[in-house]
Formats: sequence, structure tokens, C-alpha cells
Amino acid sequence: DTAVSQTPKYLVTQMGNDKSIKCEQNLGHDTMYWYKQDSKKFLKIMFSYNNKELIINETVPNRFSPKSPDKAHLNLHINSLELGDSAVYFCASSLYSGEVQFFGPGTRLTVL
Amino acid sequence: GDSVTQMEGPVTLSEEAFLTINCTYTATGYPSLFWYVQYPGEGLQLLLKATKADDKGSNKGFEATYRKETTSFHLEKGSVQVSDSAVYFCALSDNQFYFGTGTSLTVIP
Repeated sequence: DTAVSQTPKYLVTQMGNDKSIKCEQNLGHDTMYWYKQDSKKFLKIMFSYNNKELIINETVPNRFSPKSPDKAHLNLHINSLELGDSAVYFCASSLYSGEVQFFGPGTRLTVL
Repeated sequence: GDSVTQMEGPVTLSEEAFLTINCTYTATGYPSLFWYVQYPGEGLQLLLKATKADDKGSNKGFEATYRKETTSFHLEKGSVQVSDSAVYFCALSDNQFYFGTGTSLTVIP
């Protein structure tokens, strides 16, 4: 059983499009995260949700909007995609904030 | 604020060489410390952790000791293998997680 899963694994799209990435965890964790990893492997936290409530919202363009329909899911919607949005996006979860994080396999987004 | 600084890579070693990846931290409280590993094309996974001063975390032949006096958590392995080629991230948690910038390791046969 996959603990943290993301779909799709690869996403290739044109500039200006809107896309979504889905994340689900079956670990019963309360806290979920979205990270962006650039080509130099630098990992930047974007959002954190605790039991469906936003607790961390780093300086991210408001074209990025997370949505948590329940505590097992945290989706990321991106409007008006730009070239600079190309990266690998990781979802993660932890039992509660500050505890060990479990990462999904990542979604490689390429904006053309 | 809290932060983690780890040595820049990339690091290239021959198989069976000794590995050290340095990590130092800044924290106002008493954080837990972690090393995560990211194999090519995969997500990060926990390698080892230590929750208090002088604790030693170990896993898969890797070790790191929580040194409060030097605010360090250096990762070591006595004999690296080709399969250890990956990116290694040091991290701390003090109610919020902070990751280092990652160190890429390549082990050549």
C-alpha cells in the first residue's frame, strides 16, 4: 500500500493553462504539505494544512491554491501556468506538525 | 529563526570510501534532527533521526550524532556503495520542519 500518493507523476502543459495535482495519504496523519523542488534540488515549502486548515502559507504566488477536502487529501491547483513553475512538486504528510514527514513520489511539472 | 546549513556538493567518492556530510543548525529551542535521502526519481525518505543531545541515529550503515555543543549533526558512513548515490538532506524540527539545501553524492565503482 502506498502511504503518500500523488497524481499525475508527470505533467506537461502549455503556458497559461490551469492544472491540478492530487495528493492522498492513507497513514491517518493530521498534517499535509506541498513542497516545490527546483532543478538544483532545493526544497521549498509552499503550504501546510493541519486537519483541513491552512497553517503555513509561504510566499507563493496566489496562482497556487491548495484545497483540502478532508484530512487525507491535499490538492494543488495552479492557474495561468508560467515557465518558472516548472519543477518537481512533492506532497508530504506527518502525524502532526513537526513530526517525521513522509513524502510522495513527486509530480514533475513541465511548462512549455 | 531556525535554520539548517549543510555542506555544498556535489560529492564524488569511490566505492568503499569514508563519507562525511556536514550539517549545522541554528535553533532557539530543542529541536529534533533528521537526515533524509532522495534517490534518483523518488521522493525523500527518512534515513535517520535523533531527538535529543548526544543521541545517535543510525540506519543502513549511516550514523549521525546530535551534538548540542557544536550545534551539529554530521552524517557519516564508513564504506559507501554505488547504491548510496543520492541527494542527502539535513533537517530540523521545532514544531516546524526546516530542510537544508541538500548534498548530492555520487559513488563510483
